[in-house]
Amino acid sequence: QGQLVESGGGVVQPGRSLRVSCAASGFSFSSYGLHWVRQAPGKGLEWVAVIWYDGSKKYYADSVKGRFTISRENFKNTVYLEMSSLRADDTAVYYCARDWQVGKFDIWGQGTMVTVSS
Amino acid sequence: EIVMTQSPATLSVSPGERATLSCRASQSVSSDLAWYQQKPGQAPRLVIYDASTRATGFPARFSGSGSGTEFTLTISSLQSEDFAVYYCQQYNNWPPWTFGQGTKVEIK
Repeated sequence: QGQLVESGGGVVQPGRSLRVSCAASGFSFSSYGLHWVRQAPGKGLEWVAVIWYDGSKKYYADSVKGRFTISRENFKNTVYLEMSSLRADDTAVYYCARDWQVGKFDIWGQGTMVTVSS
Repeated sequence: EIVMTQSPATLSVSPGERATLSCRASQSVSSDLAWYQQKPGQAPRLVIYDASTRATGFPARFSGSGSGTEFTLTISSLQSEDFAVYYCQQYNNWPPWTFGQGTKVEIK
């Protein structure tokens, strides 16, 4: 069925950068798009970014455009989210999710917590 | 951007009873609608896709209906493991992919 495992979260000061990773196993990684979805404490789900299976297309939420960059290394079965100019409202659990048929999220990781605080 | 609105915010239901959750889209999303279940401390899980197709691992007591702008998730006889937060999500018009704010199904 497949598995996704996020890593790299932590506490970071406002204005600084952080990169989180998502490692995949159990499926043909290079055949699927991958999304990042976040969830602020006690709040709902917010889509953040997506990268196509071959890296040819990337889309971002307006709230992170220009600050976050999604990338992938298919030979490592890993997708990344580079976050810069972090703000307090970026504090959230960041999930990666596999894209199925352009927009359904059929496999999710367990999430990694990012806290932006001085 | 398509705005998804769920109601009610909280639904109090006794085990064995039926739960009916609603989701409304700000414009038509055809049948490009999914439902996710999220339990405390866990990642979301896909429950229903294409408005009415059950995902792997979910029993027949879960059903989805609707098209266009109005959708419903029905859990016919609530079991203890069904108490959770449920989110609807559209994938018809993107980016962005948008979620509703969630409905918490709690024990009455």
